[in-house]
Amino acid sequence: QKEVEQNSGPLSVPEGAIASLNCTYSDRGSQSFFWYRQYSGKSPELIMFIYSNGDKEDGRFTAQLNKASQYVSLLIRDSQPSDSATYLCAVNIDNAGNMLTFGGGTRLMVKP
Amino acid sequence: GAGVSQSPSNKVTEKGKDVELRCDPISGHTALYWYRQSLGQGLEFLIYFQGNSAPDKSGLPSDRFSAERTGGSVSTLTIQRTQQEDSAVYLCASSLRRTPQETQYFGPGTRLLVL
Repeated sequence: QKEVEQNSGPLSVPEGAIASLNCTYSDRGSQSFFWYRQYSGKSPELIMFIYSNGDKEDGRFTAQLNKASQYVSLLIRDSQPSDSATYLCAVNIDNAGNMLTFGGGTRLMVKP
Repeated sequence: GAGVSQSPSNKVTEKGKDVELRCDPISGHTALYWYRQSLGQGLEFLIYFQGNSAPDKSGLPSDRFSAERTGGSVSTLTIQRTQQEDSAVYLCASSLRRTPQETQYFGPGTRLLVL
């Protein structure tokens, strides 16, 4: 079992819809969770981070963390074609430092 | 500079040759990380440096891979006797400190193709 798992997709949603991206992790001691967006041929850029159970909202993005169930999700409201990218979930597995373990990413396609 | 820079942006080499990839982290960032991303795959951790501490090399796939960081700033990742399976994008990231809450900022990557 991989330490961080994501559905590779593609996840296709119509413009204006809510896109829901999910990620599960295996290490119960994980404390920090990050969502990165990666456009094709580009490097990852941070979208959001979350440390506490519950929801964290930033503009059209909401990160949700459930440590008991070991999943973290990213919701994108009012999806736009420019949101089309691969979304990488990253988890701080080593709680003594900042080594991130990345999932394989979910490719999101927002169709006009 | 404003962000993490890497050079070269693209590298084509022949199997068996050695290559060196360079990373300039954001000024003042004490932590530096190397990752590898194969086509269509997620990021694979390779190595990280934190200040003057010994690097964590636990992600290096073989002894053909090595990295150094001079003066706590610039880092070089060296791949000796390259193999075709080494073809990937090599990404460097830096963060202000090595703590779980610190965001890692990525460079543009070096695309390595081993023929």
